[in-house]
Amino acid sequence: KAGVTQTPRYLIKTRGQQVTLSCSPISGHRSVSWYQQTPGQGLQFLFEYFSETQRNKGNFPGRFSGRQFSNSRSEMNVSTLELGDSALYLCASSLTSGSLYEQFFGPGTRLTVL
Amino acid sequence: TQLLEQSPQFLSIQEGENLTVYCNSSSVFSSLQWYRQEPGEGPVLLVTVVTGGEVKKLKRLTFQFGDARKDSSLHITAAQPGDTGLYLCAGVVVDGNNRLAFGKGNQVVVIP
Repeated sequence: KAGVTQTPRYLIKTRGQQVTLSCSPISGHRSVSWYQQTPGQGLQFLFEYFSETQRNKGNFPGRFSGRQFSNSRSEMNVSTLELGDSALYLCASSLTSGSLYEQFFGPGTRLTVL
Repeated sequence: TQLLEQSPQFLSIQEGENLTVYCNSSSVFSSLQWYRQEPGEGPVLLVTVVTGGEVKKLKRLTFQFGDARKDSSLHITAAQPGDTGLYLCAGVVVDGNNRLAFGKGNQVVVIP
């Protein structure tokens, strides 16, 4: 089975721009979660989508949004970029969001905001 | 405030030595997972522990879940350079909607 793929792998933007990141989950996985990883804060949960519906949301401003398509692929968008948005953005898929919640991560998109 | 505290943050040891890292919380988790992340890659799931007191072994790695399901430890026997990486623990928070909360990680470096 192919793993979770994320595109692009690297991105450089300037303050005020917006960015869209893409994630393709493992075939058959219906849950997709997004995380922001920085050296200072570690892995911070952004949101989770399941069957095209946002099921969970972390404590991030409204500039961070996402969506999921009928084929389970997901995108996240960040508008009005700030320097502090520079981070590794990780997408993870799982079969379901049951109590075990075992997630399979993609390699991430490294976003640099200048 | 971090829900899961991992210690030590950084650990450097010689090949062949043993090490233990810890993941602690004041919250109870329905299950707890350990991941390993290497530079430029996403975390890879190593193990899930579910029952209080549970011990799981993965080759030279031993994972233990605390009796009260609030903490966990990872012990590596005879560490090898391939064990180098960031070890992340994650707890399933049951607060109406299941979600994973991660610690900041234990950075382990094994020197050949």
